[in-house]
Amino acid sequence: AQKITQTQPGMFVQEKEAVTLDCTYDTSDPSYGLFWYKQPSSGEMIFLIYQGSYDQQNATEGRYSLNFQKARKSANLVISASQLGDSAMYFCATASNFGNEKLTFGTGTRLTIIP
Amino acid sequence: NAGVTQTPKFRVLKTGQSMTLLCAQDMNHEYMYWYRQDPGMGLRLIHYSVGEGTTAKGEVPDGYNVSRLKKQNFLLGLESAAPSQTSVYFCASTEAGRNQETQYFGPGTRLLVL
Repeated sequence: AQKITQTQPGMFVQEKEAVTLDCTYDTSDPSYGLFWYKQPSSGEMIFLIYQGSYDQQNATEGRYSLNFQKARKSANLVISASQLGDSAMYFCATASNFGNEKLTFGTGTRLTIIP
Repeated sequence: NAGVTQTPKFRVLKTGQSMTLLCAQDMNHEYMYWYRQDPGMGLRLIHYSVGEGTTAKGEVPDGYNVSRLKKQNFLLGLESAAPSQTSVYFCASTEAGRNQETQYFGPGTRLLVL
């Protein structure tokens, strides 16, 4: 069984500052992936970044980076130089790399960027 | 290239009515999923399919049935709708057996059961 914990229900951040969204996970799978999705007020799910459990380096995608600490079972999302358009719900998720690859999501963090 | 589409976008049902939600993908993906999203709960897996003609239960399957008669389509059925099934439903698809950089989501279907 897999579990994702996001302990920050909401965050307010000043525009242009960096922000870290916390995610801890629990899984018994030997190989797994960690994902972050963004859900703006329009409702669609937007894939942001992926980290494989055996990847040696932290994943980066533009202004997004994933701070992966395997021993701590932590996969925090870092957004550099935040923008007003970053205001949204952010979900952390995990899936086994074997078999059906279904995602288990956390409850999300609502990020609000203040001008 | 439409990606993942869902029909309808919004629906209101009365308790006890039935309906089918359609998910279609044009990426030739093997795996397809149905999730529901309730306030404060994140997304939870209802059913999924790892190929044409196959389906399996997810975390919250009760009250739903699914079918995958064609590779590109994944149908979610509610035989007798209940107010507890008021939710936003998302379909997703992904390739099988590859690194999971991308799981593609549809735009969602908002269902209200009165």
